[in-house]
Amino acid sequence: GAGVSQSPSNKVTEKGKDVELRCDPISGHTALYWYRQSLGQGLEFLIYFQGNSAPDKSGLPSDRFSAERTGGSVSTLTIQRTQQEDSAVYLCASSLRVLDFGDYGYTFGSGTRLTVV
Amino acid sequence: QQQVKQSPQSLIVQKGGIPIINCAYENTAFDYFPWYQQFPGKGPALLIAIRPDVSEKKEGRFTISFNKSAKQFSLHIMDSQPGDSATYFCAASIKSPYSGGGADGLTFGKGTHLIIQP
Repeated sequence: GAGVSQSPSNKVTEKGKDVELRCDPISGHTALYWYRQSLGQGLEFLIYFQGNSAPDKSGLPSDRFSAERTGGSVSTLTIQRTQQEDSAVYLCASSLRVLDFGDYGYTFGSGTRLTVV
Repeated sequence: QQQVKQSPQSLIVQKGGIPIINCAYENTAFDYFPWYQQFPGKGPALLIAIRPDVSEKKEGRFTISFNKSAKQFSLHIMDSQPGDSATYFCAASIKSPYSGGGADGLTFGKGTHLIIQP
């Protein structure tokens, strides 16, 4: 596609439920990144993929968070047993390759606004 | 520990004025400093970026000033317009051992909410 697509755009879920957030990067972009944006807290880096591989998962907030990427394209971020503190906007970004974030930067999607009630 | 400190949190400037947003970092291994602009309901978009081997970079009305010894960098917006009203984030990256020198993620400041009044 022309841009990074995220779905759903909004998600309201009950505490304790599992949620799955989807990111469809720009076609041909091999690097994919997940960030979390909480009100007044800026953007928190969660995880990145080079192809289907995530070399470093230490940015994930807890073991309730997991992410995968298949076919070098779509990625899903899964949050198990959601808590109220998980409420935030989850942003996905992609770039041509990890070494190519330079002057092109990342292209971000519009995010998924997750509300845990 | 916050590695990139951004100020001010919010800023109101009259049209035509020059808003200045400042960022300071601690890690001298940072080697890439981008600024992102975010409008409500949208993801951040790259505005301009600088590497530490230059002290200033201009793109249109946007200028980054970089002071390596002070570990500070700032964004200036010349002839500001109401359409520039947005949240601005500075960021920095460090060479990653996982990606052969590329970035495994940007460290962002907390953002500045800028309003340009007509």
